[in-house]
Amino acid sequence: GESVGLHLPTLSVQEGDNSIINCAYSNSASDYFIWYKQESGKGPQFIIDIRSNMDKRQGQRVTVLLNKTVKHLSLQIAATQPGDSAVYFCAETPLYGGATNKLIFGTGTLLAVQP
Amino acid sequence: GAGVSQSPRYKVAKRGQDVALRCDPISGHVSLFWYQQALGQGPEFLTYFQNEAQLDKSGLPSDRFFAERPEGSVSTLKIQRTQQEDSAVYLCASSLAVGGEAFFGQGTRLTVV
Repeated sequence: GESVGLHLPTLSVQEGDNSIINCAYSNSASDYFIWYKQESGKGPQFIIDIRSNMDKRQGQRVTVLLNKTVKHLSLQIAATQPGDSAVYFCAETPLYGGATNKLIFGTGTLLAVQP
Repeated sequence: GAGVSQSPRYKVAKRGQDVALRCDPISGHVSLFWYQQALGQGPEFLTYFQNEAQLDKSGLPSDRFFAERPEGSVSTLKIQRTQQEDSAVYLCASSLAVGGEAFFGQGTRLTVV
């Protein structure tokens, strides 16, 4: 399928290495953040989320760090595998944002894992 | 079905043609979102439904775009008089509750020629 990764920043890593993907968010009122993984030809897939009252959250092989002072979010993937190759998006939303809770997506990063 | 289903997967429309894109959310999901994703970009919000009520349509780019969810389940996004700049992937997402985790469909890739 057509790649969603055209014109996106690219992070190239060797299989087995750790990956760190960064994201700057814009709205200081946002209090809920999510990382999504999007493979070519597919919709975004939830990876991990974090609320603004936390600065770190761990999942299976993934860790999200939140620095509210500089409005920065990062996703760390341990022991990166070829199946991790995809475009990664951060998204923000106000947790109690009234009726909508719409997601505001950042610029994606294409993760390319070299075997 | 197990996930959000969108149809058609691909649509080619001649400029000026009307198109209708369908979204079948996960059964029982209250919230339904439509997003537009241009090539190489992140998804951008179009509109939101809570059951059958369209509570937010602030992201619809023009009055050529119209969405409905008449019975609170299936939703249709209609684009009238399509233009080349409408070419994009249109994503639908649903969540069980307001503010809950959003599950995305595979999208409909619209190409206007």
